[in-house]
Amino acid sequence: EDQVTQSPEALRLQEGESSSLNCSYTVSGLRGLFWYRQDPGKGPEFLFTLYSAGEEKEKERLKATLTKKESFLHITAPKPEDSATYLCAVRAGGYQKVTFGIGTKLQVIP
Amino acid sequence: DVKVTQSSRYLVKRTGEKVFLECVQDMDHENMFWYRQDPGLGLRLIYFSYDVKMKEKGDIPEGYSVSREKKERFSLILESASTNQTSMYLCASSLDRAPNEKLFFGSGTQLSVL
Repeated sequence: EDQVTQSPEALRLQEGESSSLNCSYTVSGLRGLFWYRQDPGKGPEFLFTLYSAGEEKEKERLKATLTKKESFLHITAPKPEDSATYLCAVRAGGYQKVTFGIGTKLQVIP
Repeated sequence: DVKVTQSSRYLVKRTGEKVFLECVQDMDHENMFWYRQDPGLGLRLIYFSYDVKMKEKGDIPEGYSVSREKKERFSLILESASTNQTSMYLCASSLDRAPNEKLFFGSGTQLSVL
């Protein structure tokens, strides 16, 4: 069974304080690892897809990296508008099925 | 931009009622999905469909059914609502079967079953 574990569950940062969110996964035949952002009362919004170990992708203050067992979402000099829940998901095996982690709730304080 | 529209933002129903949740996407996507999201459990897949009139069970299909009569519309049906089905329901779509295809989500329907 595919498993996705995210840590920490919640993270509180001062504005400008860089940090990383972790997503560890156990799957049979990874076909893609996804990061989504979810704001309160809204559906998740796509950020990145990573396919293979060593791959990195960046968008503004966010950078996602992938190893064979985990992915990191690095947040550099965060701003209050980065506050959201960040979800990690994997697609493996039966490729239509995407398994999500519980998410990390990030709060950035001015 | 792709738009996934869910018919209701909030819904209150009584135990035993038959409930219909509607979802429409406007970008001719092949795949559509229904998830529920609960605190501490994350998003869990209920059903998905990769073509009109086709459906596949997800991880938690019990107590639910789906209908996809048209490509753009995917309905989730609670045959007899129960209190443990109180949840946030999220509809999503993706373009095709490629493994890298991202999901586009609707804003969700918060269903309360009393």
